Amino acid sequence: DQQVKQNSPSLSVQEGRISILNCDYTNSMFDYFLWYKKYPAEGPTFLISISSIKDKNEDGRFTVFLNKSAKHLSLHIVPSQPGDSAVYFCAASYGAQKLVFGQGTRLTINP
Amino acid sequence: DAGITQSPRHKVTETGTPVTLRCHQTENHRYMYWYRQDPGHGLRLIHYSYGVKDTDKGEVSDGYSVSRSKTEDFLLTLESATSSQTSVYFCAISEDSYEQYFGPGTRLTVT
Repeated sequence: DQQVKQNSPSLSVQEGRISILNCDYTNSMFDYFLWYKKYPAEGPTFLISISSIKDKNEDGRFTVFLNKSAKHLSLHIVPSQPGDSAVYFCAASYGAQKLVFGQGTRLTINP
Repeated sequence: DAGITQSPRHKVTETGTPVTLRCHQTENHRYMYWYRQDPGHGLRLIHYSYGVKDTDKGEVSDGYSVSRSKTEDFLLTLESATSSQTSVYFCAISEDSYEQYFGPGTRLTVT
């Protein structure tokens, strides 16, 4: 029972263009959502988050959108840079300080 | 970066042997977590701790035990390692927020 799903295992985007990573969830009790970025042989690093009471949060080149009615979360990266090439995980939480992660999407930025 | 170290970073062991992985933090954070990362599954919670000697099971706890005798250390033990426990193990910490901060990971191979 996968409560958080990232249906695209990989995504390839040209440098300078927009990258859009998607995430769907099934549990309507989730109240906080996060995106993590992971480089090979390193631990995931926190990128950006959003509370369920908001529909958008922006931090520099990164924007997260939340559509609660569709139970859908997306991360936009504009403009995409080579250093953005990594695996991106979305995660969701419902109290108790616990996170449920999606399977991850490998983003490749091409020059 | 949050002060989180994991040891060992790499380990190869044989089926049936006990294995202990260590997570050490210098941030004095209350919560500590153990995850495993496997292709197609993202990060899955094994066990977590919400204080010294206070631990609870996560999504994939069978075959694993944990201990936390000091705030800074969280140990994960595979009582009798199996090939299905070959994985990359990540420790994470958090304080009173949803964001978790991850260690560099331990790559465990069970032959």
